[in-house]
Amino acid sequence: GDSVTQMEGPVTLSEEAFLTINCTYTATGYPSLFWYVQYPGEGLQLLLKATKADDKGSNKGFEATYRKETTSFHLEKGSVQVSDSAVYFCALSDRMAGANNLFFGTGTRLTVIP
Amino acid sequence: DVKVTQSSRYLVKRTGEKVFLECVQDMDHENMFWYRQDPGLGLRLIYFSYDVKMKEKGDIPEGYSVSREKKERFSLILESASTNQTSMYLCASRLGASGGQDYNEQFFGPGTRLTVL
Repeated sequence: GDSVTQMEGPVTLSEEAFLTINCTYTATGYPSLFWYVQYPGEGLQLLLKATKADDKGSNKGFEATYRKETTSFHLEKGSVQVSDSAVYFCALSDRMAGANNLFFGTGTRLTVIP
Repeated sequence: DVKVTQSSRYLVKRTGEKVFLECVQDMDHENMFWYRQDPGLGLRLIYFSYDVKMKEKGDIPEGYSVSREKKERFSLILESASTNQTSMYLCASRLGASGGQDYNEQFFGPGTRLTVL
């Protein structure tokens, strides 16, 4: 079945450091891939998405490239800020497999210190 | 912008009480979802509704029921709350099968943190 494996946290970085959060997936069809972010006390917000192989999603300085050959969708940011402190979830949706929901990773908590 | 609202941000109930969690979306989305979020487990799907009066069980439906009488509203019901249902509950909506490339994107509400004593 479909699944998402996400880098375990927590991750603590200094401001302006480079961020990578790894995400790999297993899917039976042709999934769309997502990164969601959850700020403290809030619900999930879509951060970025990619719907086919080699697509790059980007938003707020974050990027992730859909790599079919390595079944990966790693999240990166060149210079993190304190305001990026949140929990990040990788997710996939596989319409071709008839899936009706998103498959989520377990989340990675990022803390950025000044 | 799509807006998904949930009736309460925080809720405290006692064991055995009947609990209603309400979710409303304002973008005429066909599909709606209820998840629970627990530390180390990520999000798990409780129930899914693909249209009015239509529902499907998710991964963890035991102890829960749902109601979708109107397109914009999806309710989660705990018939007899138990302490192991203490969690964060998240509602989401999605355009539906006619949405093309946007079909897969789900929009989330702010969540309801439920504590059962």
